[in-house]
Amino acid sequence: SQTIHQWPATLVQPVGSPLSLECTVEGTSNPNLYWYRQAAGRGLQLLFYSVGIGQISSEVPQNLSASRPQDRQFILSSKKLLLSDSGFYLCAWSVLTSAFFGQGTRLTVV
Amino acid sequence: QQQVKQSPQSLIVQKGGISIINCAYENTAFDYFPWYQQFPGKGPALLIAIRPDVSEKKEGRFTISFNKSAKQFSLHIMDSQPGDSATYFCAASRGSSNTGKLIFGQGTTLQVKP
Repeated sequence: SQTIHQWPATLVQPVGSPLSLECTVEGTSNPNLYWYRQAAGRGLQLLFYSVGIGQISSEVPQNLSASRPQDRQFILSSKKLLLSDSGFYLCAWSVLTSAFFGQGTRLTVV
Repeated sequence: QQQVKQSPQSLIVQKGGISIINCAYENTAFDYFPWYQQFPGKGPALLIAIRPDVSEKKEGRFTISFNKSAKQFSLHIMDSQPGDSATYFCAASRGSSNTGKLIFGQGTTLQVKP
C-alpha cells in the first residue's frame, strides 16, 4: 500500500533563516506530488505541484520554492523565511485518483 | 471562477442526527469533487468523492449529493457520532490526470454532541 512521509512534524525557525521540508512517497511510481499550505482556521491553498522529476509548477508567487530530485521525493525550501510563511504545510500525492495527504509540518516563524 | 464556497462555517449536531454541509462552485470545467475530513493537527483524509456523471454517491454513513445544473454538491453524514467531530472540506479539480490539484472550500467545523 502507498504511504506518504513528511517531516519534521513541527518546526520553529527565526525570520531570515532557511527552510527545507521533505516529503517522500512509498508504494507507487511516478506520482503527481503537491505542496499545500493551510493558514489557521482556513482551507488549503496549493503552492506547488510536480508531474515528474525536475518538473515544478508554482501556483502562487511567494517566498518559497520546490524541487523534485527523485521520483518519490518532494522538497519545499526557502532561502530566507518571513513571518508570513508560518502555517501548516502539507504534502500530497495522486496517481489518476484522489489526492492523499501527509500528516503535515507545523511551521512557526519567530 | 476558481472559488469553491462552503457553508456553514460551523455546525453542531446531536448524536444520531444528520449533518449536512454544502458547497457551490462556479467553474463548470471542474469534474472531480472530493470531501476531506481533518482532525486537529493532522493532514486531511479523503472521505468520499464524486464525478459529475452521477447525482449521488454513498459510502457507509457518508453520502455526496451532486446537482450539476445548480453547480452545488453536499455531504450528508447520517447517524452522526461524536467521533465524526472534525473539520470537513469540500474541494474541486479538473482533469482526470491531475486530481490532486484541488481548490478547497474554507471548511466546516462539525461538533457532534453525545
